[in-house]
Amino acid sequence: QVQLVESGGGLVKPGGSLRLSCATSGFIFTDFYMGWIRQAPGKGLEWLSYISNSGSTIYYADSVRGRFTISRDTAKNSLYLQMNSLRAEDTAVYYCARVSPIPDHWGQGALVTVSS
Amino acid sequence: QSALTQPRSVSGSPGQSVTISCTGTSSDVGEFSYVSWFQQHPGKVPKLMIYDVNKRPSGVPGRFSGSKSGNTASLTISGLQAEDEADYYCCVYTGSYTYVLFGGGTKLTVL
Repeated sequence: QVQLVESGGGLVKPGGSLRLSCATSGFIFTDFYMGWIRQAPGKGLEWLSYISNSGSTIYYADSVRGRFTISRDTAKNSLYLQMNSLRAEDTAVYYCARVSPIPDHWGQGALVTVSS
Repeated sequence: QSALTQPRSVSGSPGQSVTISCTGTSSDVGEFSYVSWFQQHPGKVPKLMIYDVNKRPSGVPGRFSGSKSGNTASLTISGLQAEDEADYYCCVYTGSYTYVLFGGGTKLTVL
C-alpha cells in the first residue's frame, strides 16, 4: 500500500533552518509529482510546493518562495523540503503528498515550531 | 490565484442532508473534472473522500457524494452521523503553474 512518512520536524529559532524528509513506498516514485502542504494551528490547508516526476518543474507559494527548496531523490524514493530563514508564521504541520493530479495520499505530518 | 471559496460553517441534525459548496472560476473548477474533497478531524490527517468530482475511494460511505455545476462544486452528505462532524476542504487541479488550489475549509457541525 502507498505510504509516506515525514521526518525532520522540530523546534527551531527564527532565522534558523530545518530539512524535512518524506520517505515513500508502495508506488512507482518516478511516475508521480510530489508536493508539500502545510497547516498552521487552527488554520486551513496551504499548498506550498510541488515538484514534477522528473524534477524539471517546481512551484513555490509566494509565502515560501526564495526561502524553501523542494527536491527529490529517486534512488531513495524520497522527497525533501529545505526550509531556511524560518519565521514564526511558518509554524505548522507539514504534510508531504503524492500528487495525481490532486494530493491523493498524504503522510502523517511533521510539526515545525518556529519560536525563540 | 485565490483560494476556492467555501462557507465557513454548515450544520445539520443526525439523519439530515447537508451540502457544502466550493466556488472557483472558469479556469479551475469550471474547466477541469479534478475536484476532490477532504475530511479532517481534529489532529488528524486529511482524508480523501471524493475525487474526480464524484468518485469515492474504497471505504468511503455512499452517504458522501460530489457534483459540479459551472464554477461551483458541491459535497453532499446524506444521513448525517455524529462522526461526520469535521472540517471539509475542497481541492482542484488548475492546469496552471500553481497546479492545485485548496478551499478555505468548512466546519460541519452535527447538532
